[in-house]
Amino acid sequence: GDSVTQMEGPVTLSEEAFLTINCTYTATGYPSLFWYVQYPGEGLQLLLKATKADDKGSNKGFEATYRKETTSFHLEKGSVQVSDSAVYFCALSVPGSGNTGKLIFGQGTTLQVKP
Amino acid sequence: DAGVIQSPRHEVTEMGQEVTLRCKPISGHDYLFWYRQTMMRGLELLIYFNNNVPIDDSGMPEDRFSAKMPNASFSTLKIQPSEPRDSAVYFCASSFTIQPSYEQYFGPGTRLTVT
Repeated sequence: GDSVTQMEGPVTLSEEAFLTINCTYTATGYPSLFWYVQYPGEGLQLLLKATKADDKGSNKGFEATYRKETTSFHLEKGSVQVSDSAVYFCALSVPGSGNTGKLIFGQGTTLQVKP
Repeated sequence: DAGVIQSPRHEVTEMGQEVTLRCKPISGHDYLFWYRQTMMRGLELLIYFNNNVPIDDSGMPEDRFSAKMPNASFSTLKIQPSEPRDSAVYFCASSFTIQPSYEQYFGPGTRLTVT
């Protein structure tokens, strides 16, 4: 079945460090891929998305490229800030499959950025 | 648009009491999702609706949980009777099918504490 695997956290970085959070997926069709972010005490917010192979999603300095050949969608940021401390979820949707309408989420990765 | 609205934001109740959580999706969205988030189990999809019809309730933990969507602008999640292990943050999310990628928009959540 469709699934998403994320690197385990927590990830602890110093301010201005480079961030990578790995995400790989398994899907029966042609998925759309997402990164959601959850700040403390809040709901999940869409951070970025990509709907087809080789698309790059970007937002707030974060980027992720849809790599069909490696079934990956790794999240990167060149210089993290303390305000980026949050939980990051990778997710996919496969319209037209038995999971139509659903998002399949990874387990989440906690990022802690220290000043 | 006000986004997805959930009420109450916090609920504290005693074991055995009935709890009702409420959700108003974004106008025009035809999918509605209920999630539960705990430290131990992470983010779990409980049930989702399409055009007010339940599509998949396989995530509902047991018969004590029920969800309804009487119209396109309102849904409830009811727990009766409540137990301490139901303590969690419950999120409602909505999406619409016109877009190809089924991205979901989350509410702020209801933090439920059962004592």
